[in-house]
Amino acid sequence: LAKTTQPISMDSYEGQEVNITCSHNNIATNDYITWYQQFPSQGPRFIIQGYKTKVTNEVASLFIPADRKSSTLSLPRVSLSDTAVYYCLVGDEATGGFKTIFGAGTRLFVKA
Amino acid sequence: EAQVTQNPRYLITVTGKKLTVTCSQNMNHEYMSWYRQDPGLGLRQIYYSMNVEVTDKGDVPEGYKVSRKEKRNFPLILESPSPNQTSLYFCASSFLGDSDTQYFGPGTRLTVL
Repeated sequence: LAKTTQPISMDSYEGQEVNITCSHNNIATNDYITWYQQFPSQGPRFIIQGYKTKVTNEVASLFIPADRKSSTLSLPRVSLSDTAVYYCLVGDEATGGFKTIFGAGTRLFVKA
Repeated sequence: EAQVTQNPRYLITVTGKKLTVTCSQNMNHEYMSWYRQDPGLGLRQIYYSMNVEVTDKGDVPEGYKVSRKEKRNFPLILESPSPNQTSLYFCASSFLGDSDTQYFGPGTRLTVL
């Protein structure tokens, strides 16, 4: 089963750039890397997805090195409202990617 | 508005009393899934469905049943709830070829006494 490892928690201050790295050493050739954000008592929300190199949208950037064994979610100029848990996911090749495995996630706390 | 809805949002019940949590989506998604979330254990997948009448077990299926008789609905059934099923439950859906990009419902907080 594809497995991810992330830091348990991170602290930051408003206006700073935050980078959260996820390790996925056993990623399969066809797997995409997906990041979700979850606020307390709400369902996770899709943030960004990528396969290789760099992907950017209006919320975040995702950096994936050539070996794809890790990825970094970059949140530019965070605000207090970015305080949340961030999950990194990769597909489960054994089930064709249909079985979804959320890791423990990274709890980001943004301070004023 | 595209959304996943769950009912009820909150439920307190007693051990052994059968219950059903409904999930419905209006995005014509083939893929639907149920998760439970517990402190310290993160989100764990209970069951998923790739289309009508096609379901499979996730990581924690014991004590749960699901059915997928219509594309838009994916109810979660607890035939004989126990206190260890007290949890926050989420339903999610996506297109089949994009199951990594799921839309989540608002959650159902279940307490089994």
